[in-house]
Amino acid sequence: GAVVSQHPSWVICKSGTSVKIECRSLDFQATTMFWYRQFPKQSLMLMATSNEGSKATYEQGVEKDKFLINHASLTLSTLTVTSAHPEDSSFYICSARGRRVRMGYTFGSGTRLTVV
Amino acid sequence: LAKTTQPISMDSYEGQEVNITCSHNNIATNDYITWYQQFPSQGPRFIIQGYKTKVTNEVASLFIPADRKSSTLSLPRVSLSDTAVYYCLVVRGWDSNYQLIWGAGTKLIIKP
Repeated sequence: GAVVSQHPSWVICKSGTSVKIECRSLDFQATTMFWYRQFPKQSLMLMATSNEGSKATYEQGVEKDKFLINHASLTLSTLTVTSAHPEDSSFYICSARGRRVRMGYTFGSGTRLTVV
Repeated sequence: LAKTTQPISMDSYEGQEVNITCSHNNIATNDYITWYQQFPSQGPRFIIQGYKTKVTNEVASLFIPADRKSSTLSLPRVSLSDTAVYYCLVVRGWDSNYQLIWGAGTKLIIKP
């Protein structure tokens, strides 16, 4: 079945530094990638959607200059949290969808970001 | 405003059948319904997807009434390992123009 690999699974960084999270579709071409963040005991909050080769579309309230999303190929998307602060600490999850739109959305395993 | 509503939590016992219902009163004609399971500190995992009537796979069934204003995820003979959060997702639209309407999740606790 469809597999999405997300790395790293956890990261601790200092306040003010940037962190990059990678999301790869291993056995299908991800025409669309989604990035979510999830706070403890809360639902998934969609941050942005990116189509391969296009600029990401950000949800209302999400700072595009802070959360840089790149979807340069059909198998790789990255989320860079720039100038991270403690309030950016969260669980970040990517999701991908292929050309077969009825295949559903495949999620990565998530990245636990802790900013100290 | 499109919205999906599901119970915050449910308890059940091993071996029982569990039904989790999601309300989506404003579902549109082309919307379809998907359910996901999430364990702590993991990404959600696809369970089942449907448009109308009944869909069954090896792990669950999905019942959608004719008016499609709700959907029920049915988990047969649950075990302790089914303790997780279950999310209802209504997908609106097609191709590059769509909207994802997530429920808040139902925390299911299975007791021995």
